[in-house]
Amino acid sequence: QKEVEQDPGPLSVPEGAIVSLNCTYSNSAFQYFMWYRQYSRKGPELLMYTYSSGNKEDGRFTAQVDKSSKYISLFIRDSQPSDSATYLCAMKHTGNQFYFGTGTSLTVIP
Amino acid sequence: DSGVTQTPKHLITATGQRVTLRCSPRSGDLSVYWYQQSLDQGLQFLIQYYNGEERAKGNILERFSAQQFPDLHSELNLSSLELGDSALYFCASSVPGGLGYTFGSGTRLTVV
Repeated sequence: QKEVEQDPGPLSVPEGAIVSLNCTYSNSAFQYFMWYRQYSRKGPELLMYTYSSGNKEDGRFTAQVDKSSKYISLFIRDSQPSDSATYLCAMKHTGNQFYFGTGTSLTVIP
Repeated sequence: DSGVTQTPKHLITATGQRVTLRCSPRSGDLSVYWYQQSLDQGLQFLIQYYNGEERAKGNILERFSAQQFPDLHSELNLSSLELGDSALYFCASSVPGGLGYTFGSGTRLTVV
């Protein structure tokens, strides 16, 4: 079983829709949770990070962590065509290594 | 530009050959991480260096090796290449204790 599971999609939504991206994990030692966005032919870029359970909002993006269910989500409100990318979740415990999901491909249709 | 520089951007080589990928971390970052990204496996951690010393090892094959030099740039050496080694190789760097990586644009390796 992989430590981090992420539905690869692809996900296709109309412009303006609310998008929900999710990951589940098995290692209860994970404390830091991140979302990266990767455009085609580019490296992943850090979008948001959270520590422990709860919500964190940044503009149109909200990251949610539920440690009891080992489940994290990224919500994108008022989605734009420029949000079309692959979104990767990542997690870390106290060690140095990050554990990534395989990524969800998102297309926002104008 | 993320500040992490990877060269070359593309590499095509034959099976059995050896290649070297290069990474210059963002100014001030001491840690360098190497990742392999393939369609079915996602981002797989290979190895981490911190200020010239190996800090952590992931799923790195024995045919692969890396080092970090005194000027903090790093090289990933891939030898006896196989078709299955075709992938995107990313380098990332971070500040000490940093929670997020800054990734380079990657090197796309194609083994034919």
